Amino acid sequence: EDKVVQSPLSLVVHEGDTVTLNCSYEVTNFRSLLWYKQEKKAPTFLFMLTSSGIEKKSGRLSSILDKKELFSILNITATQTGDSAIYLCAVLYSGNTPLVFGKGTRLSVIA
Amino acid sequence: DTEVTQTPKHLVMGMTNKKSLKCEQHMGHRAMYWYKQKAKKPPELMFVYSYEKLSINESVPSRFSPECPNSSLLNLHLHALQPEDSALYLCASSQDISSGANVLTFGAGSRLTVL
Repeated sequence: EDKVVQSPLSLVVHEGDTVTLNCSYEVTNFRSLLWYKQEKKAPTFLFMLTSSGIEKKSGRLSSILDKKELFSILNITATQTGDSAIYLCAVLYSGNTPLVFGKGTRLSVIA
Repeated sequence: DTEVTQTPKHLVMGMTNKKSLKCEQHMGHRAMYWYKQKAKKPPELMFVYSYEKLSINESVPSRFSPECPNSSLLNLHLHALQPEDSALYLCASSQDISSGANVLTFGAGSRLTVL
């Protein structure tokens, strides 16, 4: 059973649109949730969230965590074609268990 | 230096060949990881080394053999692979695997094709 579920799995939007990507998780001893962006090669780190209700922001991207409802969202405003990528959510829990990734959301931004 | 360097970037090998993928980091990270990623799928964990000792082996076939010669290097030795092993192999590192602030830094990957 998947511990980290992302939705939607894929999304096509036009430049300038705002998108919201979702990540829900079901783990015990949650420690942190991370968002990565993957274009052609290595995933690059976007945000790490450990506390509920505190928004992390970087340019047009922002993310927030709800530890009560066990989910996080990643918002991208004024999307650009360069935002086209797979966005991966990953959760760290327990002691020595490494990150568990969701299946990712494939975002395509068309001009 | 905040990078994880992987070599080679591309590798084509036959099913009887023996080859190795290499990974290097100089960030002082004590945890290093191998992930396998097929097209349109998320990375799948293969191995984790913590303080140069194999900590996690996700039931990976023995035709994949990891090695951690020192705290900066991680190798993946390949022997008698199958065409279905063709994938992007990602190396990553982090400060350790038990910290709650554990951000993985990924290398650019080695794209492997098995003929």
